[in-house]
Parts: sequence; C-alpha cells; structure tokens
Amino acid sequence: NAGVTQTPKFQVLKTGQSMTLQCAQDMNHEYMSWYRQDPGMGLRLIHYSVGAGITDQGEVPNGYNVSRSTTEDFPLRLLSAAPSQTSVYFCASSYLIRGGGYTFGSGTRLTVV
Amino acid sequence: AQSVAQPEDQVNVAEGNPLTVKCTYSVSGNPYLFWYVQYPNRGLQFLLKYITGDNLVKGSYGFEAEFNKSQTSFHLKKPSALVSDSALYFCAVRDLIYNQGGKLIFGQGTELSVKP
Repeated sequence: NAGVTQTPKFQVLKTGQSMTLQCAQDMNHEYMSWYRQDPGMGLRLIHYSVGAGITDQGEVPNGYNVSRSTTEDFPLRLLSAAPSQTSVYFCASSYLIRGGGYTFGSGTRLTVV
Repeated sequence: AQSVAQPEDQVNVAEGNPLTVKCTYSVSGNPYLFWYVQYPNRGLQFLLKYITGDNLVKGSYGFEAEFNKSQTSFHLKKPSALVSDSALYFCAVRDLIYNQGGKLIFGQGTELSVKP
C-alpha cells in the first residue's frame, strides 16, 4: 500500500516557467487537497477536491490550477512560477467523513529563482 | 469560521520531563480535532484525534491529548519526553463540506525541542 505519492521531491524553476506537481493515492479516498508550508505560517490550503470532476479553491489559490479526472490523481499546476511560490508543497487525501484523518505525501520542495 | 491557535512557537523540555504542547480552537458545533507531527524533511504523520467520547485521547508514540470543551482546548501531552520527540507539531480541526468531512485547518505549528 503506497499511500500518497508525490513527485518530484525537489524542483528548481526559473521565474515564468510552468510545471506540474504530481499526486497520486491508492486508498480510494474521495477527498484530496494541496497545501503549502512556509516557515511560521503552518500549512495553508491551496485547492481541494471532494471527488472526480469536482475541485474548489482553498485559502491561497492564486497562481495555481488543479484538476481531478480520476479518483487517484490530483495534479497541481503552476502556470507561471514566481519567487513567492517558493515553498514546500504537500498533497493529502482522506475519506469524506468528518472524523477521517488525512494521509500526507512526503512533500515537494520547490524553489523559484 | 473554524480556526486553531497554537500559542507557543517553541517548547523546550528536558528529556524525562513531562511535556505539553498547547492548542485552542474556535468552531461552530462539535469539534473534530487532530494532532500531527512533522520530523525534519518529512511529511506530516497522524498522532491522534478527538471525535467524541472520553476527553483523554491516547495516540501514537506515547502521546495523549486532553479535550476541554469549556476552555476550547486540545493540549498534547506526554508523561516523559524523549530526545526523539523533537519535531514540529501541528494541531488541526476538520471543517465541513456538504455536511461531511472536508478541509483540515491547521494551527501555525509548535517546534518541540527535547534536550538530553
């Protein structure tokens, strides 16, 4: 059971470049989400999805796009990277029940220069 | 709106002493509360959760948390700290979407340092 798999683990981008952070889970979780972690700010929600074909914005969605074509995959796209998007990104998934805990991926450390 | 606060950025404890990491919450309705731990350069790992029932919740690695409704607190505790407990700890509350579980709202995190 692989859990939540994120790729890549590290990435350096130049300002203006685009890229996709991949996230896949094999637990048949309905709910998937992307967070960014910055020092002193905890984890902030970027986008989330409650099922295939359904996505919504979180707390800090600007500069990011998502799609959910399958239950398993939830990629995060940066269309034009900015230095302010330098961060550690975590994907997480769970069952859509209120008492359900999240399973987190190991993170992607992104640097935009 | 649901929110969680961790009033201490850092907690320092000597090995063998009890530790407490504080968390307070603000929710409408009954809270669903969680504690996660993050070791350096790793993802978040689930420690424990409070859904309903006994106010003292036991979790992984000898940790426990006490739910106090009147004080709106959910403090994380351990009777005897280990150096290996040094990590970043997050308190979180789960929000509702379509009357089901949804967004996990995090506190800002507390860095726990346990010295030998």
